[in-house]
Amino acid sequence: DVKVTQSSRYLVKRTGEKVFLECVQDMDHENMFWYRQDPGLGLRLIYFSYDVKMKEKGDIPEGYSVSREKKERFSLILESASTNQTSMYLCASINGRSRYYEQYFGPGTRLTVT
Amino acid sequence: AQSVTQLDSHVSVSEGTPVLLRCNYSSSYSPSLFWYVQHPNKGLQLLLKYTSAATLVKGINGFEAEFKKSETSFHLTKPSAHMSDAAEYFCVVRGSFGDDKIIFGKGTRLHILP
Repeated sequence: DVKVTQSSRYLVKRTGEKVFLECVQDMDHENMFWYRQDPGLGLRLIYFSYDVKMKEKGDIPEGYSVSREKKERFSLILESASTNQTSMYLCASINGRSRYYEQYFGPGTRLTVT
Repeated sequence: AQSVTQLDSHVSVSEGTPVLLRCNYSSSYSPSLFWYVQHPNKGLQLLLKYTSAATLVKGINGFEAEFKKSETSFHLTKPSAHMSDAAEYFCVVRGSFGDDKIIFGKGTRLHILP
């Protein structure tokens, strides 16, 4: 079974702190994604990566950056956390760009910024 | 450009009665369509997917969906609801031929009444 793990289930940070959210997948998937999920808004794509050291902006990249130094690991960075970044963050991976493949999701990190 | 619309944000059914969660899509080319389920404080899990083979797709936990090109719909059904089906459900479309962005619906929360 594909496994996508995220470093924390719950995280509380203060405004202005630098925050790292880590995601690791164990099935050698090429593509990885970071989403945030808010009530009534569904999932919104922050960043994605098609390969090591490659990154693409999603729909809401402002205030975030990412890092992919190894194929299995995709990190989301909040350079200076703000209260409007309080949300559920979901990482996903997928085995290639074919439309036949489904995404595999991690359990999510619920981040609260106070 | 692609889009997906989940027609109901909340659906309530009694245990043992049928479930219908509605999804309409828009896509220029032959899309793939997916339904995911998210239980409280969990990540998303694939229920089923359509990738241009059989139009009636069977998934896990007794769910199925029918791809109707003429109606641009991919509604999710289950003959008899169980309490454990209470969750949020997401319809997802992914296109092809260079327009392979993954688009999520805003979700439908399914409530099961005892």
